[in-house]
Amino acid sequence: QKEVEQDPGPLSVPEGAIVSLNCTYSNSAFQYFMWYRQYSRKGPELLMYTYSSGNKEDGRFTAQVDKSSKYISLFIRDSQPSDSATYLCAMSLTSGGSYIPTFGRGTSLIVHP
Amino acid sequence: SAVISQKPSRDICQRGTSLTIQCQVDSQVTMMFWYRQQPGQSLTLIATANQGSEATYESGFVIDKFPISRPNLTFSTLTVSNMSPEDSSIYLCSARALEYQETQYFGPGTRLLVL
Repeated sequence: QKEVEQDPGPLSVPEGAIVSLNCTYSNSAFQYFMWYRQYSRKGPELLMYTYSSGNKEDGRFTAQVDKSSKYISLFIRDSQPSDSATYLCAMSLTSGGSYIPTFGRGTSLIVHP
Repeated sequence: SAVISQKPSRDICQRGTSLTIQCQVDSQVTMMFWYRQQPGQSLTLIATANQGSEATYESGFVIDKFPISRPNLTFSTLTVSNMSPEDSSIYLCSARALEYQETQYFGPGTRLLVL
């Protein structure tokens, strides 16, 4: 079993839809959770960063962490064609441990007009 | 945040040759890393580039194949040596932000094709 599981998709949705992207993980020691967005032929860019459990909102994006279920989600409201990209989840250990994040494979999202 | 640039952005190389990729960060960062990204796969950490000392390599990666330098806080190079078609991949430079030690920023990547 991989440490971080992420469905590669592609996930295709119409413009304006609510998108839900998810990752599961096996290491309960992870405390820091991140979502990166990677456009075609570009490097990943940090989209959302959360510590421990709970929700974090930034504009149309909401990151949710459920540590009891070892499950994290990224919600995109009112999705736009410009949101079409690959979304990678990443997570790392608590302070004092290694900060090297473990990445998921990424989910390819296509938002069509 | 840190802005990271890489050179070259892409290259096509013959097997048996070597390619050096340069990474420049626009501000001082604590740590720099080199990743490999193959289609449909997660990012794989090759090594941590340490300033003024030998890089720390992950399992499966060795210095003879991927020599790395980091002469100062904002610059690093990765060399892919004695290339084979299996080395065809995207190579990404990454740096850890000063303000959020748990997150990393990435360069645009170098797309390498080995024939």
